[in-house]
Amino acid sequence: SFELTQPPSMSVSPGQTASITCFGDKLGDRYVCWYQQKPGQSPLLVIYQDRKRPSGIPERFSGSNSGNTATLTISGTQPMDEADYYCQAWDSSLVFGGGTKLTVL
Amino acid sequence: QVQLQESGPGLVKPSQTLSLTCTVSRGSISRGDYYWSWIRQHPEKGLEWIGYIFYSGSTYYNPSLKSRVTLSVDTSKSQFSLKLSSVTAADTAVYYCARGARRAEVLNYLDYWGQGTLVTVSS
Repeated sequence: SFELTQPPSMSVSPGQTASITCFGDKLGDRYVCWYQQKPGQSPLLVIYQDRKRPSGIPERFSGSNSGNTATLTISGTQPMDEADYYCQAWDSSLVFGGGTKLTVL
Repeated sequence: QVQLQESGPGLVKPSQTLSLTCTVSRGSISRGDYYWSWIRQHPEKGLEWIGYIFYSGSTYYNPSLKSRVTLSVDTSKSQFSLKLSSVTAADTAVYYCARGARRAEVLNYLDYWGQGTLVTVSS
């Protein structure tokens, strides 16, 4: 079955760039989106169709997808960006990655 | 903007059926460009997609849950519902409803989510 693999955790210093990866077989052939989830909150869509930002999402969030890897990039990371991030794609079923816990310190 | 709100019992006994309803407001559930989904999240775990329903009533389920899941829609009430049968403790989770963008007959992304509701399976 199709799976999406993310690193369980990563840390970044404030102001630096965070790059969160999502690996899946031929992932570049399908659309990927990304969700941000803070403790006690519902997931929030931050990137859809590989690189598009919903209204209200800061420009520091960007996305790319090629080959077997999709990447969510947060430029100039802020403390408020500390959260869990999930990638998602469709392959006969809607599939989520396992999530990456981003720590900003 | 669209709002979704889950409702239903927070406690279900083992072997019984979990039933939840999602009410959609500030937007039409009958739009042809959206699928209406259920997703769950086990405590301290990741997200698991349960299935979606189209306003016409057509459904698509996660193969791993398909045998126990039934989704239905009531467009007159702007609601869609989830039934999960034969529940066990492993079904304890926060259950979310969400709106999914339909692109080329595929569920592309989930752009609006409810706040989620915790359902505990316990005797």
